[in-house]
Amino acid sequence: ETGVTQSPTHLIKTRGQQVTLRCSSQSGHNTVSWYQQALGQGPQFIFQYYREEENGRGNFPPRFSGLQFPNYSSELNVNALELDDSALYLCASSSNLAYEQYFGPGTRLTVT
Amino acid sequence: SQQGEEDPQALSIQEGENATMNCSYKTSINNLQWYRQNSGRGLVHLILIRSNEREKHSGRLRVTLDTSKKSSSLLITASRAADTASYFCATDARNSGYALNFGKGTSLLVTP
Repeated sequence: ETGVTQSPTHLIKTRGQQVTLRCSSQSGHNTVSWYQQALGQGPQFIFQYYREEENGRGNFPPRFSGLQFPNYSSELNVNALELDDSALYLCASSSNLAYEQYFGPGTRLTVT
Repeated sequence: SQQGEEDPQALSIQEGENATMNCSYKTSINNLQWYRQNSGRGLVHLILIRSNEREKHSGRLRVTLDTSKKSSSLLITASRAADTASYFCATDARNSGYALNFGKGTSLLVTP
């Protein structure tokens, strides 16, 4: 088990609503990355935060936004939810932008 | 878009046999990693191989990397039922920050 935690575990929202997912990084890690994993697919990179600044972004629309806090925990916010946003959202932490990332258990989001 | 592509998509073997999974990618990389995912949960880092390395071992795992063919293989020797999981290769494309690009994965089933 890694020291990365995510909340909530499962979430059901309605199309058009907004959602906030949370991640606590492993102790000593200052970099957090978020990934979306649709059923049967590999994880897709959403964005990465390093020392509270966005350090890179994948091919996701602006309604996907994030924050990293001084304690290096992070939030992923998704506005105007669409059915295709239903997926497992994974948070991963690492130390100083290291390539090896430690993943949390994920948040399963269902949009109806 | 997904950089890596694993082959085969699914693999079924018996305990004690060896399992080989392959990964191909498209652009130049700094590193290639292999991760394991049990039943839609978080990913577990298995091994990282750098672009200047050709082979790496970790316990029952052996990874090879051929940068000229843009391919890698993961060998699990003497497989166990507990090895049943999905296996993903992840590459970090040069000039794209520290994002990981995952393939769709190989689903491995090890039967007793």
